[in-house]
Amino acid sequence: AQKVTQAQTEISVVEKEDVTLDCVYETRDTTYYLFWYKQPPSGELVFLIRRNSFDEQNEISGRYSWNFQKSTSSFNFTITASQVVDSAVYFCALMDSNYQLIWGAGTKLIIKP
Amino acid sequence: NAGVTQTPKFQVLKTGQSMTLQCAQDMNHNSMYWYRQDPGMGLRLIYYSASEGTTDKGEVPNGYNVSRLNKREFSLRLESAAPSQTSVYFCASSDRHDSYNSPLHFGNGTRLTVT
Repeated sequence: AQKVTQAQTEISVVEKEDVTLDCVYETRDTTYYLFWYKQPPSGELVFLIRRNSFDEQNEISGRYSWNFQKSTSSFNFTITASQVVDSAVYFCALMDSNYQLIWGAGTKLIIKP
Repeated sequence: NAGVTQTPKFQVLKTGQSMTLQCAQDMNHNSMYWYRQDPGMGLRLIYYSASEGTTDKGEVPNGYNVSRLNKREFSLRLESAAPSQTSVYFCASSDRHDSYNSPLHFGNGTRLTVT
């Protein structure tokens, strides 16, 4: 079965700490994509990153980095030197070979000043 | 750029009432979607429209109907609201449904309460 698990329902850290959000997926497909979206308190979900199943290179964008490991079926998201503006719900999602998106339940990240 | 616009932002209905949620996008996207978000469950797809003139059921279509009015607009109708439909509803659009390279663009959501 296709499934995305975000085991951390809520994480709370103090500003400037590093934090990692976990995402574990299950799929039978050999071709698939993984996504991260951010949902700030304003409500709308915002696309952060897309990764295909053939590219295991880690990605860094400013304070954000993503670690994709097929061996452990994980696509984890790390925020370095967290800021209050990073407070949001973060969703990991899997797009399967039929282009269907399977969403994780989300991780609520609270950054305290 | 407005992106994806949903109306209304909030709505309270009594059981059995009907209503239509409106969604419009100005990005010339071909595909549009309706999701519901419930605590601890992520997003679940209700219906989608891969292109103008087509609609398909998603994971949780029961109790809902949709209309792709034109390329810009995609509405979601609850014919007889039930408390189980209390949720936050999101409209989204993408350039193409059958593409890995078309991330979703979301509206701000409609918070619906059915009493």
